[in-house]
Amino acid sequence: DTGVSQDPRHKITKRGQNVTFRCDPISEHNRLYWYRQTLGQGPEFLTYFQNEAQLEKSRLLSDRFSAERPKGSFSTLEIQRTEQGDSAMYLCASSRRDSLTGELFFGEGSRLTVL
Amino acid sequence: AQSVTQLDSQVPVFEEAPVELRCNYSSSVSVYLFWYVQYPNQGLQLLLKYLSGSTLVKGINGFEAEFNKSQTSFHLRKPSVHISDTAEYFCAAEGGGGTSYGKLTFGQGTILTVHP
Repeated sequence: DTGVSQDPRHKITKRGQNVTFRCDPISEHNRLYWYRQTLGQGPEFLTYFQNEAQLEKSRLLSDRFSAERPKGSFSTLEIQRTEQGDSAMYLCASSRRDSLTGELFFGEGSRLTVL
Repeated sequence: AQSVTQLDSQVPVFEEAPVELRCNYSSSVSVYLFWYVQYPNQGLQLLLKYLSGSTLVKGINGFEAEFNKSQTSFHLRKPSVHISDTAEYFCAAEGGGGTSYGKLTFGQGTILTVHP
């Protein structure tokens, strides 16, 4: 069990640029989640995959955001035309195949700063 | 819709003192409740969870929490804290019945600082 890994850990970009984050879940976990955490707030749910299917998306996920999990393993979160309001920590989590509860395993996050 | 409120943004305490971190939730349906901890430069990790059954749940590192349905609370307690407990603690809720599959609503977090 190597844990959930996220890359890059830090990204600084200029407004208007595109950024992509990658998440590698724990290998036997079939569920993968993206959350966003801004300073002084708790994480907010963005989207959720079961295997390769994206089953739910939050209204927080505007048209500029897209998430994929093409082979049911790693996932990417792309933000197009970044805005300063996108600055946040983007958290990835995964859960066990047989879990019916929110017992999630989180990565260390990818911190985005938009200048 | 669910909401989770952590009543204290920061809690300073001396080592070996008891501590309580307060959490209230609002939900029209039964919920599962969780406490997660985030140590500096680490990911969130599960401290304990309430699904059903006994209202007093025990977690890792000597923490426990009590589910109180009438007060819609899920406060976290530890009888004697250590310096190593310094971290940010998040209360979270998930709609019960296994239908929300990890879609958690988090509180704003409480920073616990343990002083020597």
